[in-house]
Amino acid sequence: DAGVIQSPRHEVTEMGQEVTLRCKPISGHDYLFWYRQTMMRGLELLIYFNNNVPIDDSGMPEDRFSAKMPNASFSTLKIQPSEPRDSAVYFCASSLMGESYNSPLHFGNGTRLTVT
Amino acid sequence: AQKITQTQPGMFVQEKEAVTLDCTYDTSDPSYGLFWYKQPSSGEMIFLIYQGSYDQQNATEGRYSLNFQKARKSANLVISASQLGDSAMYFCAMSLILTGGGNKLTFGTGTQLKVEL
Repeated sequence: DAGVIQSPRHEVTEMGQEVTLRCKPISGHDYLFWYRQTMMRGLELLIYFNNNVPIDDSGMPEDRFSAKMPNASFSTLKIQPSEPRDSAVYFCASSLMGESYNSPLHFGNGTRLTVT
Repeated sequence: AQKITQTQPGMFVQEKEAVTLDCTYDTSDPSYGLFWYKQPSSGEMIFLIYQGSYDQQNATEGRYSLNFQKARKSANLVISASQLGDSAMYFCAMSLILTGGGNKLTFGTGTQLKVEL
């Protein structure tokens, strides 16, 4: 199994530019999560999908952030326009849930975003 | 509200010794899960071990064991026979039941473990 695949691994962009982060979950997983990790705030859940449908986006910091999951094998997180305070590591994770609370999340390697 | 607390920002341990990383949690939900993840300097998040709130026995996975004390609301990670490769950030997390099934994880702030020769 290839695991969760994120791209790019690193992204450096200038303030005001649009940034798109990509994620391919593990095949067959029905939940997909986007997390952000910073030194100040730790790991924060931004949004999650169930069967490609966004369920809870209450963690998305601002309207500048948007996420989509057009099919079961692909999701994007977009920031437009980007700001320096968006600099962080963005993780995508997937899991196979059903009705159990014991399924671990499988994380991708993350995208390190730097906005200058 | 659910909360995960890791009070040790950093820990040192001698190689081959055992080490305990502390984690306490707070929830009013009787059904929950507790997880530990390892994040090495390379940045990936690696799942280590899971404990369910109704599990009678402490979870073990190789050199990792989870010391689950439900009444004290603690879920400490014990690493036996520490190795240099165990040097990493360790996160405790709790799963919360979601409407319609599934769960999401809430993470603690992490403990940085350094294994020394």
